[in-house]
Amino acid sequence: DAGVIQSPRHEVTEMGQEVTLRCKPISGHDYLFWYRQTMMRGLELLIYFNNNVPIDDSGMPEDRFSAKMPNASFSTLKIQPSEPRDSAVYFCASSLNDGTGYTFGSGTRLTVV
Amino acid sequence: QQQVKQSPQSLIVQKGGISIINCAYENTAFDYFPWYQQFPGKGPALLIAIRPDVSEKKEGRFTISFNKSAKQFSLHIMDSQPGDSATYFCAASKGGRRALTFGSGTRLQVQP
Repeated sequence: DAGVIQSPRHEVTEMGQEVTLRCKPISGHDYLFWYRQTMMRGLELLIYFNNNVPIDDSGMPEDRFSAKMPNASFSTLKIQPSEPRDSAVYFCASSLNDGTGYTFGSGTRLTVV
Repeated sequence: QQQVKQSPQSLIVQKGGISIINCAYENTAFDYFPWYQQFPGKGPALLIAIRPDVSEKKEGRFTISFNKSAKQFSLHIMDSQPGDSATYFCAASKGGRRALTFGSGTRLQVQP
């Protein structure tokens, strides 16, 4: 299995632009999670889905952030408009229904200038 | 509110020594306590995990010790190797292995 696949690996964008991060979970996994990692705040859960349905989005920092999961094999995290303080590494993770196989992707490093 | 506090922030250990990282939690509803290992440029990877009904779990050189009354748990790495040099995160979740609350991380350096 190729694991959780995230794209792009690196993204540099100007403040005010829209940014879309992509994630392909492991096939057969029922849960998908989006995390953000920064030096100041560490690893934070932003939102997670179960069977493509958002379960808890209380970690989404602002209305500028939105996430979708149109099908079992694809999810996006969108930031519009982006701001310099959004610069971070964004991780996607997926797991089986019982929580086993919890696997992180390699992350997308976002830099907003 | 930091629900999982981790220490130390960084740790230097000689090859063959024991590395010890500690975590404390506040929420008594937490029922799953994993440790993750992260190398630069990679996502966190599950190392070992424990549930509060046991006080210790060992997998190879890695051991979790759990103290429910003190709301603390720790990771012990025996016979530490240079390849163990990484950042280690403790985490906790409630109601199963869903949303993880992470500690702030410990950067471990094992010197040859």
